[in-house]
Amino acid sequence: NAGVTQTPKFRILKIGQSMTLQCTQDMNHNYMYWYRQDPGMGLKLIYYSVGAGITDKGEVPNGYNVSRSTTEDFPLRLELAAPSQTSVYFCASLGLANTGELFFGEGSRLTVL
Amino acid sequence: GQSLEQPSEVTAVEGAIVQINCTYQTSGFYGLSWYQQHDGGAPTFLSYNALDGLEETGRFSSFLSRSDSYGYLLLQELQMKDSASYFCAVRGVSGNTGKLIFGQGTTLQVKP
Repeated sequence: NAGVTQTPKFRILKIGQSMTLQCTQDMNHNYMYWYRQDPGMGLKLIYYSVGAGITDKGEVPNGYNVSRSTTEDFPLRLELAAPSQTSVYFCASLGLANTGELFFGEGSRLTVL
Repeated sequence: GQSLEQPSEVTAVEGAIVQINCTYQTSGFYGLSWYQQHDGGAPTFLSYNALDGLEETGRFSSFLSRSDSYGYLLLQELQMKDSASYFCAVRGVSGNTGKLIFGQGTTLQVKP
């Protein structure tokens, strides 16, 4: 059981470039999330989805876009990368049981230079 | 607004008990969760309180009081490996069932 898989694990971008962080889960979870975490800080919600075809903004959505065409996949798109987007990005899905448990991917460390 | 407040740092000695508090300014949420994160790793789930009261899971316990807008994580018999960051989180803020936000985290340092 792979759980939540994120790719890539590391990436360096130049200012103005675009890229997509991939996230897939094989647990049939409806709710999926993207967070960013700056050094020494908490997790900030970028976007979330409660099911295929439904996405919503979180706390810090500017500069990002998402789509949710299938239950399994929830990619995060960065357009026109800026140094302020240097961070660690975590994808997560919410377990089906009512335990409040988020299952996290290993994270994607992004540096924008 | 929606916010969860935690102390930034807590220090304790091995074998002791430590309590990490979480106060929040939001309403209508489904429950309060706690996560542990070691340096360089992803957060891992520790505990969840859907209802007021105490939930116990081994050395860790968590408490929620909705009337006081307050919760805490209690760690007993501290071990060196418990040195990590701890985050509280709530889902369902402002009537959005999926919205799940985190506090800023508390760094726990366990000393010998």
